[in-house]
Amino acid sequence: KNQVEQSPQSLIILEGKNCTLQCNYTVSPFSNLRWYKQDTGRGPVSLTIMTFSENTKSNGRYTATLDADTKQSSLHITASQLSDSASYICVVSSNSGGYQKVTFGTGTKLQVIP
Amino acid sequence: EPEVTQTPSHQVTQMGQEVILRCVPISNHLYFYWYRQILGQKVEFLVSFYNNEISEKSEIFDDQFSVERPDGSNFTLKIRSTKLEDSAMYFCAGKGSGETQYFGPGTRLLVL
Repeated sequence: KNQVEQSPQSLIILEGKNCTLQCNYTVSPFSNLRWYKQDTGRGPVSLTIMTFSENTKSNGRYTATLDADTKQSSLHITASQLSDSASYICVVSSNSGGYQKVTFGTGTKLQVIP
Repeated sequence: EPEVTQTPSHQVTQMGQEVILRCVPISNHLYFYWYRQILGQKVEFLVSFYNNEISEKSEIFDDQFSVERPDGSNFTLKIRSTKLEDSAMYFCAGKGSGETQYFGPGTRLLVL
């Protein structure tokens, strides 16, 4: 069964500090991995998308890594801001027979405090 | 920048009633999706739609659910006879030829 596990479940950090969120997955066959930011009561917004051959991808202060061998990904947030407070969701897609299957992680709830 | 829109933003309904949730995807998108998120839980896939037919659906998407894209613009999710456990945030998403899905702001459904 396809699964995506994220850790930690929640995290509180001081404004300006860095943090790293983890994602482990068992999804096969792997197509891509995405990190989304979801503000409370809003739809997820894509931060990064990585395919099998990509190890690192950056989007501003967000840097995602992917280790396809160990099936792990991380999202590193640099110099956090209050507006980074949100849930961060790891989403893994597989393509089988032309159909895309999407498995969402439970998310990490990040709170950035002044 | 074009956005996915959803209406209504909130809907309250009585158990057993039919509801229709509407989505207007980005105009050049080809693939469309519905997801739901029960309060405090993770986002769950419901159904994907391509070329005017369902391409995949999850076990949640039973006979009470249906989707259609009647006019090439709106993409709707109908729940025929709502149950209490249908209370959730429902997200529509679309994608073009790339891999990124663009999500709408969601419709919060409350079944009483």
